[in-house]
Amino acid sequence: EPEVTQTPSHQVTQMGQEVILRCVPISNHLYFYWYRQILGQKVEFLVSFYNNEISEKSEIFDDQFSVERPDGSNFTLKIRSTKLEDSAMYFCASSDRTGGEQYFGPGTRLTVT
Amino acid sequence: KNEVEQSPQNLTAQEGEFITINCSYSVGISALHWLQQHPGGGIVSLFMLSSGKKKHGRLIATINIQEKHSSLHITASHPRDSAVYICAVPTGTYKYIFGTGTRLKVLA
Repeated sequence: EPEVTQTPSHQVTQMGQEVILRCVPISNHLYFYWYRQILGQKVEFLVSFYNNEISEKSEIFDDQFSVERPDGSNFTLKIRSTKLEDSAMYFCASSDRTGGEQYFGPGTRLTVT
Repeated sequence: KNEVEQSPQNLTAQEGEFITINCSYSVGISALHWLQQHPGGGIVSLFMLSSGKKKHGRLIATINIQEKHSSLHITASHPRDSAVYICAVPTGTYKYIFGTGTRLKVLA
């Protein structure tokens, strides 16, 4: 069964460093999402992406964040200068249509020290 | 007020008990997604439903779109059902709004 994959599973970085989280959505899906979950809190929406542009972004998704689909398979989230409060689990998701079921990757646990 | 509310927040049950988790929402279009999150953190899809009832094994989900309420039932609960159960609602812009989750612990 097709699945969303994410790499790395765990990333440790120092404050101020840039990180890139990678996702491979399901191949025929067109809508891509990033969510994050700070430890002990609920999952929060970051950004949605369709047709090579951002469809919607949350207040969390400030200028330090960017997303890209550099080729036909990968979908990346970049944090330019990480802060301690960026420590969280980051989930990628994809769907094949608007309003359709979203399929989640296993997540990347980002730890900023 | 949370746009997606779940109850209870925590639930401890004995093995074999019938479990109900509730989700009420004030946003969203016409569907709701039940998800399961294990201690490792990964999110697994259980059901997406837009009307009536769906059943998969010992799990049953119901939804009332008019009342914006859904329930997830687990029959004959087992320790391996221990996890966080989350309802998520797709909004008009199709992002999900998540509930806070219900942490279920089933004791042997």
